[in-house]
Amino acid sequence: AQKITQTQPGMFVQEKEAVTLDCTYDTSDPSYGLFWYKQPSSGEMIFLIYQGSYDQQNATEGRYSLNFQKARKSANLVISASQLGDSAMYFCAMREGSTGGFKTIFGAGTRLFVKA
Amino acid sequence: NAGVTQTPKFQVLKTGQSMTLQCAQDMNHEYMSWYRQDPGMGLRLIHYSVGAGITDQGEVPNGYNVSRSTTEDFPLRLLSAAPSQTSVYFCASSYQWTGVYNEQFFGPGTRLTVL
Repeated sequence: AQKITQTQPGMFVQEKEAVTLDCTYDTSDPSYGLFWYKQPSSGEMIFLIYQGSYDQQNATEGRYSLNFQKARKSANLVISASQLGDSAMYFCAMREGSTGGFKTIFGAGTRLFVKA
Repeated sequence: NAGVTQTPKFQVLKTGQSMTLQCAQDMNHEYMSWYRQDPGMGLRLIHYSVGAGITDQGEVPNGYNVSRSTTEDFPLRLLSAAPSQTSVYFCASSYQWTGVYNEQFFGPGTRLTVL
């Protein structure tokens, strides 16, 4: 069963506008972590932000914030004030706790295009 | 620190050939893993290790072997290459294997083509 779902294969956003990239997950483990990574065209994987299942507040890192809705099992990435350099592939990932063997699994990704 | 290094960056194999993709990290990380990335499928976990001498299978282990004789190194062996193994391979490491907060540090990737 698909555990991480990213339903948007591609997204367009105008420069300086905000954009939300969707991610839903499925787990029965009460302890888990959610991650977002950026992969620019150069190919490297860049860690952006983390949210723990027990965290009460949504995570923020600069222009990135994670809209965590635990009951809906969603962990959407919000990028504020988009820049041309934000054009990249974005992956949502989840690491489960002991039930899942502490493995990290990834979604299929969303390609973001920022227009000037 | 060099972080996570992978060699080679590019490789072309013929069907049936074997080879080893090298991965090393200098951060004294317990946890290391191998992923393959195929278009439209994200990263899929091949094998992982929670420490020297301990490895386990991920989602797509068939056709691959791993070993972890030292904390630093985690090579991935293709036993008999097949065109279906054409992919980009990423090695990653994190400080610990327990605890859900463990950011993974990725190597630059190896682009493998099997003809």
